[in-house]
Amino acid sequence: AQSVSQHNHHVILSEAASLELGCNYSYGGTVNLFWYVQYPGQHLQLLLKYFSGDPLVKGIKGFEAEFIKSKFSFNLRKPSVQWSDTAEYFCAVNPDTGRRALTFGSGTRLQVQP
Amino acid sequence: SAVISQKPSRDICQRGTSLTIQCQVDSQVTMMFWYRQQPGQSLTLIATANQGSEATYESGFVIDKFPISRPNLTFSTLTVSNMSPEDSSIYLCSDKPPLTEAFFGQGTRLTVV
Repeated sequence: AQSVSQHNHHVILSEAASLELGCNYSYGGTVNLFWYVQYPGQHLQLLLKYFSGDPLVKGIKGFEAEFIKSKFSFNLRKPSVQWSDTAEYFCAVNPDTGRRALTFGSGTRLQVQP
Repeated sequence: SAVISQKPSRDICQRGTSLTIQCQVDSQVTMMFWYRQQPGQSLTLIATANQGSEATYESGFVIDKFPISRPNLTFSTLTVSNMSPEDSSIYLCSDKPPLTEAFFGQGTRLTVV
């Protein structure tokens, strides 16, 4: 079965620090990749997605992610975090086989200190 | 983008009772999905709900415990039956049209005491 691994469970950064959250998946075929963010008490929101094309994907709020097929990775980055980025971040994978349910990583709790 | 509404947003229930969670989508969707997010953990798919057919359950989840209804293309319910404290969790519904991201409800935070 496919799986998604997020190795950083809890990250604490100061404002203006750079962020990189790791995401690796195990599925060998073509995949669609997503990063979702969950702010406290709010819906899951899409940060960015990759279906095909340029492996460097830009999302909302200054986030970007790079798909590296050879490494089965889709790491999330932001050059300078803000206090408002404090949230939980989930990587998710959807094989390109018609099955639409997502497989989620365990999530990374990001805490940005002012 | 779809707007997905869930009711109730939270509830505290006695063990042994059942709770039905409603999920309303503002447009017709073929498939709806029910996930569980246990404390400190990620989202785990419970089942896929198709209109007009029985839901498809993932390993570890059974219809007797989590019966699902899907009476039309905009609505679904998930019932958590005979609850125990281990069922305390956030339950989320979502849809995911092809070639787009999934849209989620705000979740139902269930506490079983």
